[in-house]
Amino acid sequence: EAEVAQSPRYKITEKSQAVAFWCDPISGHATLYWYRQILGQGPELLVQFQDESVVDDSQLPKDRFSAERLKGVDSTLKIQPAELGDSAMYLCASREGVSYEQYFGPGTRLTVT
Amino acid sequence: AQTVTQSQPEMSVQEAETVTLSCTYDTSESDYYLFWYKQPPSRQMILVIRQEAYKQQNATENRFSVNFQKAAKSFSLKISDSQLGDAAMYFCAYRSRGGAQKLVFGQGTRLTINP
Repeated sequence: EAEVAQSPRYKITEKSQAVAFWCDPISGHATLYWYRQILGQGPELLVQFQDESVVDDSQLPKDRFSAERLKGVDSTLKIQPAELGDSAMYLCASREGVSYEQYFGPGTRLTVT
Repeated sequence: AQTVTQSQPEMSVQEAETVTLSCTYDTSESDYYLFWYKQPPSRQMILVIRQEAYKQQNATENRFSVNFQKAAKSFSLKISDSQLGDAAMYFCAYRSRGGAQKLVFGQGTRLTINP
């Protein structure tokens, strides 16, 4: 069964360093989402792509976060510089066409020290 | 903006018993989707069940069923014959039918199954 892939699964970085996460959605899924899930809370949308275009990045802290999906397939989320408050699980999800269902990857757990 | 509230941070149930998780939401829209997602420890989030707001009939998926009360903006999940594998965080989520179609999640309920 096809799955959303994410790497790395775990990342520890020091404050002020740069960090990047990668997501490979299920093949054929045009819509890709990045969510941030702080421990003990529900996920919150950071950015949504339709193919290579950003549809919604209203909650993305653009002074330090960037996201790209250059060829409309895989995607990278970058944080520079990382802050202590960025410690969280970063989830990627993808959706096919007009389907209602989003499929989630295993996430990247980021710890900023 | 839409909001989703889960007022039960933790719930526990005996194996084989029935448990109900609560969810309320706020929206001015009339057409939308509601979902329950399950997030097992260290595993990815998976969809448990969905409900379309225009459907009056409550959704059912095997041991999982919902009680959708549109006027009250309530969407509870009932798990029958609880199994050890049901232990997880459960998230209620809202999605508009149109627009960007992002998911808005509640805070989650941690469900423990006691053997």
